Amino acid sequence: ELKVEQNPLFLSMQEGKNYTIYCNYSTTSDRLYWYRQDPGKSLESLFVLLSNGAVKQEGRLMASLDTKARLSTLHITAAVHDLSATYFCAVGFNTDKLIFGTGTRLQVFP
Amino acid sequence: GAGVSQSPSNKVTEKGKDVELRCDPISGHTALYWYRQSLGQGLEFLIYFQGNSAPDKSGLPSDRFSAERTGGSVSTLTIQRTQQEDSAVYLCASSLTGMAGELFFGEGSRLTVL
Repeated sequence: ELKVEQNPLFLSMQEGKNYTIYCNYSTTSDRLYWYRQDPGKSLESLFVLLSNGAVKQEGRLMASLDTKARLSTLHITAAVHDLSATYFCAVGFNTDKLIFGTGTRLQVFP
Repeated sequence: GAGVSQSPSNKVTEKGKDVELRCDPISGHTALYWYRQSLGQGLEFLIYFQGNSAPDKSGLPSDRFSAERTGGSVSTLTIQRTQQEDSAVYLCASSLTGMAGELFFGEGSRLTVL
């Protein structure tokens, strides 16, 4: 069964702090995506990771992919309020099906 | 177009009625996807088109759901005899080359079945 799990499901963090969101998946894949969703809005693409060891950074967010461990991480550095949103990872499998994780709702407070 | 366009943005219907949701992908994007997002939940894969064909229909919840795509462009998701559990936001996304590429999402169609 194709499963994608994220943790934590909910994260409340103080501005300036660092934290990591984890995305585990059940079957071999070599492509993984991170998306951001603001309340009532659609999904915005953040990162596309297409190979083992891929690391991408944009501002205070950094994403990495370890295909052997079937794990991706989204690291938040020195969080700010504007990062408050729900973050989804999505994993591509053989038939071009893209399965989304459960999402991590991030709340950054002063 | 500039982005993925979906219509209607909001639809309220009575139980038992049929609804059609439309998706107009980014021009030139060959792959098109439909997902469903229930309140506070993740995204549930429904169907995927490459051109006009749908290689994977495994996510459609029941035979009340159908989708088609014509001319390699616009897609319509049809729900027959709607039920209250069909209430959700239906998201469409398109991609230039399929899953190996980046998906661009529309704003979604919010369906409420009374």
